[in-house]
Amino acid sequence: EDQVTQSPEALRLQEGESSSLNCSYTVSGLRGLFWYRQDPGKGPEFLFTLYSAGEEKEKERLKATLTKKESFLHITAPKPEDSATYLCAVRSNTGKLIFGQGTTLQVKP
Amino acid sequence: SAVISQKPSRDICQRGTSLTIQCQVDSQVTMMFWYRQQPGQSLTLIATANQGSEATYESGFVIDKFPISRPNLTFSTLTVSNMSPEDSSIYLCSVESTGGGEQYFGPGTRLTVT
Repeated sequence: EDQVTQSPEALRLQEGESSSLNCSYTVSGLRGLFWYRQDPGKGPEFLFTLYSAGEEKEKERLKATLTKKESFLHITAPKPEDSATYLCAVRSNTGKLIFGQGTTLQVKP
Repeated sequence: SAVISQKPSRDICQRGTSLTIQCQVDSQVTMMFWYRQQPGQSLTLIATANQGSEATYESGFVIDKFPISRPNLTFSTLTVSNMSPEDSSIYLCSVESTGGGEQYFGPGTRLTVT
C-alpha cells in the first residue's frame, strides 16, 4: 500500500536555527514527490517537485532533497514568516497524489 | 501556475441540509480534483472531475453524498449532501499543471455542520 509518513509532527525553532523535516514514503513506482506549504485557513502552496534520487531543489531558505526512500526539506536560518505546515505528497503509478500528515513548523523570533 | 477561487470561503450549516461549493479556474484544464481536509488531518482525495464525463470517486466517497458537476473546462461544483457533523472539514479543489505534474490548490471552503 502506498504510504507517506512525515516527521516530526511539530517543530519549534528559534529564528536562525536550521533544521530538517523528513518525509518517508513507500510507493509503487514513484512519479514525483511534492512539497507544499500550508498557512492556517489557506490552501496548500506548491514549493518543489522531485523526481529521482539525488535530485535537489532550492528556494530561498528551503532546500528539498530526495533519496529512494525519503525526502528532506532543509530550512536554513529560518525566519518567523517560515512558520507554516509543510506537506509532502507522492504520486505513484496510479497517478493519484498521496499526502502525508504534515509537519507544523513554528519559528520564534 | 493557475489561479483558483472557491465560493463560499466558509459556511456554518445545519445537520441534514446540503451545501454546494464552487471552484473557478483562470484557465482551461482537463481534470479538476476535490479534496477533504478534516481538522488536524492531511488531504484526502474525494474525486476527480473530467469535463464531459462522470466524476471518478475514491474509495469511501459516493456520488449520492458528494455529487459533482463539471459543466466546462474552468468550473466545477461539489455538493455535500445530507450533512452531519462528521462532514465538518475544509474542502479544497485543485488542478494539475500541464507537464509539471504538480497540483495547484484553491483557498478552500471551511464547512462547519451543527
